[in-house]
Amino acid sequence: GNSVTQMEGPVTLSEEAFLTINCTYTATGYPSLFWYVQYPGEGLQLLLKATKADDKGSNKGFEATYRKETTSFHLEKGSVQVSDSAVYFCALIETSGSRLTFGEGTQLTVNP
Amino acid sequence: GAVVSQHPSWVICKSGTSVKIECRSLDFQATTMFWYRQFPKQSLMLMATSNEGSKATYEQGVEKDKFLINHASLTLSTLTVTSAHPEDSSFYICSARQDSLGSYEQYFGPGTRLTVT
Repeated sequence: GNSVTQMEGPVTLSEEAFLTINCTYTATGYPSLFWYVQYPGEGLQLLLKATKADDKGSNKGFEATYRKETTSFHLEKGSVQVSDSAVYFCALIETSGSRLTFGEGTQLTVNP
Repeated sequence: GAVVSQHPSWVICKSGTSVKIECRSLDFQATTMFWYRQFPKQSLMLMATSNEGSKATYEQGVEKDKFLINHASLTLSTLTVTSAHPEDSSFYICSARQDSLGSYEQYFGPGTRLTVT
């Protein structure tokens, strides 16, 4: 079956630090990959996505590249802000479009 | 575009009563809607998938008689927690998908915090 594995959290950084949150996946087909962000007490917001190998998703300074050879979709940001503090979920969906498979989530805290 | 709302955003009810949570797609027609449950500091757990006009498909271990799901229109799905107990206290999140576009992207609601006393 499909699975998504994220780096264990929580992650604590100082403002303007570089962020990497690792995500690897297992899928039987050719999935689309997503990063969602959840702010405290809220639902999930789509942060970025990539639908095929070598695609790079980007939004709000965050980037992730779909690496088929390493089955990875690591999230990066060059300079984090306090407002980036949230839980980040990596997820995939098969091209057959049944369901989203989520990673465990990574709590990010950015201190001023 | 692609906005999903939930109502209420939070609810407190007494043990033994039933609670209904609404999920609406505001600017698109949602062929498929999903209901998730999230425990503190954990990931989302899919409870059921509902398609407009048909019965919901429940995940293994989810009691269909306790968590009643209705998807009566292309913009509204409801989750009713029947005879609620404190262990049903959780954060419930819905998502919606517009299958006609050929995209499998899901749009999430803001969630409903249920507390059963």
